[in-house]
Amino acid sequence: ETVMTQSPVTLSVSPGEGATLSCRASRTISNNLAWFQQKPGQAPRLLIYAVSTRANGVPARFSGSGSGTEFTLTISSLQSEDFALYYCQQYNEWPPGHTFGQGTKVEI
Amino acid sequence: QLVESGGDVIQPERSLTLSCVGSGFAFRNYAINWVRQTPGKGLEWVAVMSDDENRQYQADSVKGRFSMSRDNSKNTVYLHMKGLRLEDTAVYFCARAAAVVGPDAVFDYWGQGTLVTVSA
Repeated sequence: ETVMTQSPVTLSVSPGEGATLSCRASRTISNNLAWFQQKPGQAPRLLIYAVSTRANGVPARFSGSGSGTEFTLTISSLQSEDFALYYCQQYNEWPPGHTFGQGTKVEI
Repeated sequence: QLVESGGDVIQPERSLTLSCVGSGFAFRNYAINWVRQTPGKGLEWVAVMSDDENRQYQADSVKGRFSMSRDNSKNTVYLHMKGLRLEDTAVYFCARAAAVVGPDAVFDYWGQGTLVTVSA
């Protein structure tokens, strides 16, 4: 199983500041890496797939980068609606495992 | 849109079937995944079934106990759960993907989830 490890667990940021979230895979996952945002009581929302492609309707302040086993989600100039939980996920493993990281909470 | 149903409070070792109904897209062209989230915890992928229902895979934590089926004529996927354990208590989400694995296996739309509580 490919283990996904996110850091930090919690990130305290002021509105208007930037945030950098990290995700490390225990083995190479090609570019099959996604990021999701989840708010309390809601389903996860796809933000980024294929490492750096924004999903439909996702603001340009969200960007993804990385390769191999190290990946980053960057949020420039945080807005109030961006304070949430963020998960990375790999969808590369065969047979399917689709493992998620444990999440990073972005708080004010 | 994806809508889950069937969540309930159920005793250990009993069985339960969840449903996931899709609308507004070509349901028969998509693989459907189940993902669960323990209250206050993170996300765990549970299972996937291919668009043509010929392939399905489960996480090791549920293998042998959970299985999937689908009825494309009803735009519905089912998660059949047996031998339920206390640790299966979670909100269960279904999510669509264009493929089972690989570059197209992106979970782009999710349902709102249904709560399964396993309790004696």
